[in-house]
Amino acid sequence: EIVLTQSPGTLSLSPGERATLSCRASQTVSRSYLAWYLQKPGQAPRLLIYGISDRATGIPDRFSGSGSGTDFTLTISRLEPEDFGVYYCQQFGGLEHTFGQGTKLEIK
Amino acid sequence: QVQLVESGGGVVQPGRSLTLSCAASGFTFSHYTMHWVRQAPGKGLEWVAIVWYDGSREYYAESVRGRFTISRDNSKNTVWLQMSSLRAEDTALYYCARSYGSGSPFDHWGRGALVTVSS
Repeated sequence: EIVLTQSPGTLSLSPGERATLSCRASQTVSRSYLAWYLQKPGQAPRLLIYGISDRATGIPDRFSGSGSGTDFTLTISRLEPEDFGVYYCQQFGGLEHTFGQGTKLEIK
Repeated sequence: QVQLVESGGGVVQPGRSLTLSCAASGFTFSHYTMHWVRQAPGKGLEWVAIVWYDGSREYYAESVRGRFTISRDNSKNTVWLQMSSLRAEDTALYYCARSYGSGSPFDHWGRGALVTVSS
């Protein structure tokens, strides 16, 4: 099983600031099999980024993904109020899919 | 539009069984791989099970293997999760989600069904 470790656990930032979230894998993850989701309170997760850097339908270009091998990053260039919530990375390269434990992005 | 609607949640005693359903609409169900993902109260996401688009294969997280069974009926646009020998640690909100193939992200999710295992 590939274990994903996200950091930081909590990130406190203000609207307009830049956010950088990290996801580290215990084994190499192919570029195609890494995604990011945002979950807001009381809602299901929403797909943001897949294939490391491709944005899902309707996701604004302030969201970008990067990385390779075992280290991946989600960057939000200028935070909007609707961007706050819990972010999860996910790998789906094998039969057993796994999620990171989440990074909570909160308003400072 | 794409809809995934879970049902069948509730309170169940430890050791008992429960079956969740997920009714799909707004897309060609038989083209999509389906998953169950759970979230314990205040915790993160845990992938539970996958069933291939044609029902030919399934796979489970180690935490539920041998106790849970995922299945689907493409004629009814429905996927199920049969849960047996339930434990307190199975208490969670259970989401169904779809992906276009086993190596694709989950692009649509349901709202979830709450399962509480308690005596």
